[in-house]
Amino acid sequence: EPEVTQTPSHQVTQMGQEVILRCVPISNHLYFYWYRQILGQKVEFLVSFYNNEISEKSEIFDDQFSVERPDGSNFTLKIRSTKLEDSAMYFCASSFTGGRNEKLFFGSGTQLSVL
Amino acid sequence: GESVGLHLPTLSVQEGDNSIINCAYSNSASDYFIWYKQESGKGPQFIIDIRSNMDKRQGQRVTVLLNKTVKHLSLQIAATQPGDSAVYFCAENRGGGFKTIFGAGTRLFVKA
Repeated sequence: EPEVTQTPSHQVTQMGQEVILRCVPISNHLYFYWYRQILGQKVEFLVSFYNNEISEKSEIFDDQFSVERPDGSNFTLKIRSTKLEDSAMYFCASSFTGGRNEKLFFGSGTQLSVL
Repeated sequence: GESVGLHLPTLSVQEGDNSIINCAYSNSASDYFIWYKQESGKGPQFIIDIRSNMDKRQGQRVTVLLNKTVKHLSLQIAATQPGDSAVYFCAENRGGGFKTIFGAGTRLFVKA
């Protein structure tokens, strides 16, 4: 079964550093997402991306965050200057039709630790 | 505010028994609901979904019930197995939007 893959599985960084989290969505999917989950809490929406632009974003997704689809297969989340509170598990997801009437496929996540 | 939430944070059941996990939502505009299962160290995995024009949907060992009158969603797992142990999230998608909103999660423990 096709799956969403994320790298790295763990990322440790110093506060103030930039990090890039990488994802390879399922190949025929058109909609891409980033979610995050702080330990023991619920999964929070960050951003959705379609046709090379952001289609929706949450209040969490401020100017420190950006997303990019640099080529036909990768989808990245960049945090420019990490804060302690950015420590969380970050999940990439994809779907074919945009989530309104379709399940999302999630990757296994990148655990980001900001020290 | 608008939210999707769960009634119980943990549920413990005996292997072979049926499990019922409940969820409340507050936005009557929500038109698509999904249950996801999250095992330790993994991302959420789709279990079953239901649209707002339905009140029940069955899958393999799982059933989702939707009561729009009281804005309540439930997941029933028949003959619960040890492999069902996980955190279960209800989620909603609101018409016109791209984001899926997750509830707080219920941890299901299955006792052998």
